[in-house]
Amino acid sequence: EAQVTQNPRYLITVTGKKLTVTCSQNMNHEYMSWYRQDPGLGLRQIYYSMNVEVTDKGDVPEGYKVSRKEKRNFPLILESPSPNQTSLYFCASSLWGTGNEKLFFGSGTQLSVL
Amino acid sequence: TQLLEQSPQFLSIQEGENLTVYCNSSSVFSSLQWYRQEPGEGPVLLVTVVTGGEVKKLKRLTFQFGDARKDSSLHITAAQPGDTGLYLCAGGGSSASKIIFGSGTRLSIRP
Repeated sequence: EAQVTQNPRYLITVTGKKLTVTCSQNMNHEYMSWYRQDPGLGLRQIYYSMNVEVTDKGDVPEGYKVSRKEKRNFPLILESPSPNQTSLYFCASSLWGTGNEKLFFGSGTQLSVL
Repeated sequence: TQLLEQSPQFLSIQEGENLTVYCNSSSVFSSLQWYRQEPGEGPVLLVTVVTGGEVKKLKRLTFQFGDARKDSSLHITAAQPGDTGLYLCAGGGSSASKIIFGSGTRLSIRP
């Protein structure tokens, strides 16, 4: 089954404790992206990747890191989480990232930073 | 900066009524997508429109892309409780990979 898998689904942590949210897709997609979703603000892009070892900033990259060492994986790293990073996070992938294609989303990771 | 504004933000109507949701921008988009998101899940694509003036139908849902490719609308005929969810529009910009999402319309259909 074609899917984007995120882990964990729920995460509660404390300020400053490094964490990683994993994302994996099994569709051989070139393009992967991370979004955060906050009430009234829709989905805002954090980082995206057009291919292995190619990443770029989205609209809200501060406080986040990503890496794309393998085509299927695109982890999101919070080196020193802060309470304003409490949010619902989604990973997505598509074939080329042109904006005309279907974006496949994971089921989300609800992060709470205390 | 490209922005997509959706209206209304919230909509609660009775089963069987018709409704229209709007997605507007001052920028031109190469394509416009509509997604539906249910609680606890990621958004799922409903439709993509790429040509100005294009109209697409998906059962009781009708999607239209504005002639100038700056706006789009979603019309639902005879709404059903299963239509409940968050509807998001997303625009494809001039640069590859830059996909902008609107803030969403939360739709509730009362039985």
